[in-house]
Amino acid sequence: GEDVEQSLFLSVREGDSSVINCTYTDSSSTYLYWYKQEPGAGLQLLTYIFSNMDMKQDQRLTVLLNKKDKHLSLRIADTQTGDSAIYFCAETNSNSGYALNFGKGTSLLVTP
Amino acid sequence: DTAVSQTPKYLVTQMGNDKSIKCEQNLGHDTMYWYKQDSKKFLKIMFSYNNKELIINETVPNRFSPKSPDKAHLNLHINSLELGDSAVYFCASSQSLALSGELFFGEGSRLTVL
Repeated sequence: GEDVEQSLFLSVREGDSSVINCTYTDSSSTYLYWYKQEPGAGLQLLTYIFSNMDMKQDQRLTVLLNKKDKHLSLRIADTQTGDSAIYFCAETNSNSGYALNFGKGTSLLVTP
Repeated sequence: DTAVSQTPKYLVTQMGNDKSIKCEQNLGHDTMYWYKQDSKKFLKIMFSYNNKELIINETVPNRFSPKSPDKAHLNLHINSLELGDSAVYFCASSQSLALSGELFFGEGSRLTVL
């Protein structure tokens, strides 16, 4: 996670939007990913974006990529209590070969 | 019909013992991985195999030895366990090496070394 940074915690109220931010350092990043980990479970791929795109929307999820600033965000609209989990940003680049490079994860807590 | 299954889910053992974790995927994927998640939830790749061939072997002690008898299985054997090996070990698979970012994870095996 040293090349991929995320804030550790985020708390939102049910129904509000959540925005989870991520920054990365490698300008050769090709794909950027968001994974979700619920307690006691493995990671689940939520969405990904190719580095030549700046936005991708998938139902309640919107991914924004600012390649110049190396900044990625995940917006969850109408956040529900079931969205409480750890969200990991990850990237692949020419230096990492075939390995995903994960951030340390952002714990999202959704309160009623 | 679990896509990526690993056993055991929990493992508690003494320092110095040898243990194995097994992983199987029924997705027909070519590539399998072992990731380690520490107590702070940091995830780091350990190994990856593509069609039974070792592709990635990160800086992992020699006490860790992966074995892939076929492309649907990737087992992890750990010798002479140390306290610092306590972690959750995740097996994952991807359709191919080119799709190594689109991973399907198992539920994890929590190893506790006493």
